Amino acid sequence: QSALTQPPSASGSPGQSVTISCTGTGSDVGGYIYVSWYQQHPGKAPKLMIYDVSKRPSGIPDRFSGSKSGNTASLTVSGLQAEDEADYYCSSHAVTNSAYVIFGGGTKLTVL
Amino acid sequence: QLQLQESGPGLVKPSETLSLTCTVSGGSISSVGSHWAWVRQPPGKGLEWIASVYYSGTTYYKPSLKSRVTISIDTSKNQYSLKVRSVTAADTAVYYCTREEASTSFDWGQGTLVTVSS
Repeated sequence: QSALTQPPSASGSPGQSVTISCTGTGSDVGGYIYVSWYQQHPGKAPKLMIYDVSKRPSGIPDRFSGSKSGNTASLTVSGLQAEDEADYYCSSHAVTNSAYVIFGGGTKLTVL
Repeated sequence: QLQLQESGPGLVKPSETLSLTCTVSGGSISSVGSHWAWVRQPPGKGLEWIASVYYSGTTYYKPSLKSRVTISIDTSKNQYSLKVRSVTAADTAVYYCTREEASTSFDWGQGTLVTVSS
């Protein structure tokens, strides 16, 4: 059950768009719609930004969007703002001999 | 508004058992469709899902931790608990309790730091 693979870092200037990838296998990302993305600011609890691949919880701006192709999910942040600078984690439902949840290693997003 | 609050010792000795409780307020732990989970984060590192439990008592565990971890639920107290046995320094982390639906943590507690040290 290795963690889902995310790039350790990503960056963009204010107003630009940035995409963060999350690669798994057919036993997790590729096999289910239950892929989520969380934002975490330093010293704070994570906050759900995207669930079921592309759905946004109430209150999350539409600048945040999610997608999936095969075993790779992606989070795109459009119109980057300073407050978007944070760590981002993907997660997925996973099944080997039993069901569980697996997280990605996290991506530090820097707004230049 | 649903609130989750972790509680338990902040310091545990190596080889002993780490025990944490999550108290749920503003909603019922017996809510259909909600699973109750624990997620941890070692200092400076990423998130790790540990286990989840349904009000019926059905449990799910991360395979690599299953032999050392027990999650349980007490619907009468609106609480659920985590026990991690035979802890080492690698179990030092901020432990979060969360409310899950379909493998997604919609609500999070503030987290509690547990340090394993003699």
